[in-house]
Amino acid sequence: NAGVTQTPKFQVLKTGQSMTLQCAQDMNHEYMSWYRQDPGMGLRLIHYSVGAGITDQGEVPNGYNVSRSTTEDFPLRLLSAAPSQTSVYFCASSNEGAVNEKLFFGSGTQLSVL
Amino acid sequence: DAKTTQPNSMESNEEEPVHLPCNHSTISGTDYIHWYRQLPSQGPEYVIHGLTSNVNNRMASLAIAEDRKSSTLILHRATLRDAAVYYCILRDFNNAGNMLTFGGGTRLMVKP
Repeated sequence: NAGVTQTPKFQVLKTGQSMTLQCAQDMNHEYMSWYRQDPGMGLRLIHYSVGAGITDQGEVPNGYNVSRSTTEDFPLRLLSAAPSQTSVYFCASSNEGAVNEKLFFGSGTQLSVL
Repeated sequence: DAKTTQPNSMESNEEEPVHLPCNHSTISGTDYIHWYRQLPSQGPEYVIHGLTSNVNNRMASLAIAEDRKSSTLILHRATLRDAAVYYCILRDFNNAGNMLTFGGGTRLMVKP
């Protein structure tokens, strides 16, 4: 089972460049989300989606866009990369939004912005 | 949101039990207690969760205090592969879906 797949695993950008981090899940999960993790810190929620066509902002949404056109995919777009966006990005999914539901995380994308 | 307090780090010897504490004195009656762990260079991994009663699964046990103001994650026999950061997280209806609020967690080091 693939679970949650993130690509690429590593990326280096120059300030001002744009790019899309890909996230796909094969578990038919309705809920998907993006987190970032800065060195030595816990994860912080960027954006989330409760189903195809529905997205909302998390704790740190500035500088990022998302869309959810299919159940499987939830790409994260950096519009104009900044050094402050250097971080490790994790995608997660869950079947439902229940508070006793567990989340499945991808293995992460390490992004460096120079 | 109710917050959790965990020690920054703990050490254990291999094949010995490990008790990872978590304080959540402002927990509400509807908060579930979740534990995730993050192995080096990997995404977080679900470990266990509970509401009021103690819980066991193949990975660990969760002991919840009677007043629910604290809980303990128990690894019965630590292995080197259990070295990770362990996060204790409260989830209520305000942060359902994929919204987990991560604190700093406890870094567990396992010595051979």
